[in-house]
Amino acid sequence: DAMVIQNPRYQVTQFGKPVTLSCSQTLNHNVMYWYQQKSSQAPKLLFHYYDKDFNNEADTPDNFQSRRPNTSFCFLDIRSPGLGDAAMYLCATSRVGRELFFGSGTQLSVL
Amino acid sequence: TQLLEQSPQFLSIQEGENLTVYCNSSSVFSSLQWYRQEPGEGPVLLVTVVTGGEVKKLKRLTFQFGDARKDSSLHITAAQPGDTGLYLCGIGNTGKLIFGQGTTLQVKP
Repeated sequence: DAMVIQNPRYQVTQFGKPVTLSCSQTLNHNVMYWYQQKSSQAPKLLFHYYDKDFNNEADTPDNFQSRRPNTSFCFLDIRSPGLGDAAMYLCATSRVGRELFFGSGTQLSVL
Repeated sequence: TQLLEQSPQFLSIQEGENLTVYCNSSSVFSSLQWYRQEPGEGPVLLVTVVTGGEVKKLKRLTFQFGDARKDSSLHITAAQPGDTGLYLCGIGNTGKLIFGQGTTLQVKP
């Protein structure tokens, strides 16, 4: 059974049109992460939540926002997608200092 | 500046060959994790190494943590096409996991 679920698997949006990616977990982990991964590159951390505490990476563009309404759900909002934002977006969860469990990712295309 | 330096970044070998992937840093870490990612999927944990000098084996994969806990290696013996994927080392840093650049491995039949 999938433990970290990302929807949708594929998302197509238009340049400048806001888009939201979702992630849910059944593991009850207190940490949730969003990573951006471009082709043939390692995942790059955008931000993470430790419970409700939001931690933004210094180089994450303001265009990227996140919400975590409860333990199980986390959302990635891209306010005005550009062509450079086309990538795989990976959600992951963990207990503090422990292994990460990843979802299958959402492949975002920007037209 | 990359906290973790992973090498090589790309590796294409024939089935049956051996290979080693390296993960290095100037910092000391309490632990280091190795992940493998197949195309179209998220990374999956292979192993966590914690103790300096530790060696862990997972079938044909051998993981080693350096004595000073600044570096780690992954050795694959007799690689198979099913080993193809992106291999990532990662370290915990203030509650988050940071990856090295990754090694893309292609094993040709």
